[in-house]
Amino acid sequence: NAGVTQTPKFQVLKTGQSMTLQCAQDMNHNSMYWYRQDPGMGLRLIYYSASEGTTDKGEVPNGYNVSRLNKREFSLRLESAAPSQTSVYFCASSEAAGGLGETQYFGPGTRLLVL
Amino acid sequence: GQQLNQSPQSMFIQEGEDVSMNCTSSSIFNTWLWYKQDPGEGPVLLIALYKAGELTSNGRLTAQFGITRKDSFLNISASIPSDVGIYFCAGLRSSGDKLTFGTGTRLAVRP
Repeated sequence: NAGVTQTPKFQVLKTGQSMTLQCAQDMNHNSMYWYRQDPGMGLRLIYYSASEGTTDKGEVPNGYNVSRLNKREFSLRLESAAPSQTSVYFCASSEAAGGLGETQYFGPGTRLLVL
Repeated sequence: GQQLNQSPQSMFIQEGEDVSMNCTSSSIFNTWLWYKQDPGEGPVLLIALYKAGELTSNGRLTAQFGITRKDSFLNISASIPSDVGIYFCAGLRSSGDKLTFGTGTRLAVRP
């Protein structure tokens, strides 16, 4: 099992460009999450999907959209990138259905630089 | 949003030393998790705690769920160079709640 995979690993964007970060998990987990990690801030939840077909906002959703394409895949889209979105983005998944709890397993991260 | 307070923010120790770090909150959590993040990687779960007062070990790592349910502690004994990384605590109030992460403790080990 690969666990949680993310693409791309690195990306440089110009302000105003759009892009989609991809995430997939092969653990048959019900819940998936997108976090951003900034120095001194720990991990902050952007959006989550408690189960296939549902998505909800987390702590810092502004400027992002998500799609739970199927049970395996959860994508994060930046429609018009801003320098404030320079960060490391982590996707995670957990077995729990209908909630946000339990152990979460993380992908390797996508490092995004917005110029 | 709330984040858990971790201390110390960073530590620079000699190989072989023991390490202690803690995580505190102003509110109660019913589950505490400790993650380690290696440089350039995503966080990996080390230990999960589910009951107040619980003490759980994973090799050289020992974590405790504080009696008040407002704190948790992680100890690493006889540190080695591969212990380098950022250690995050995370707390969960209930199974339907969001996971709240600490700000992280950055550990450096001098051989």
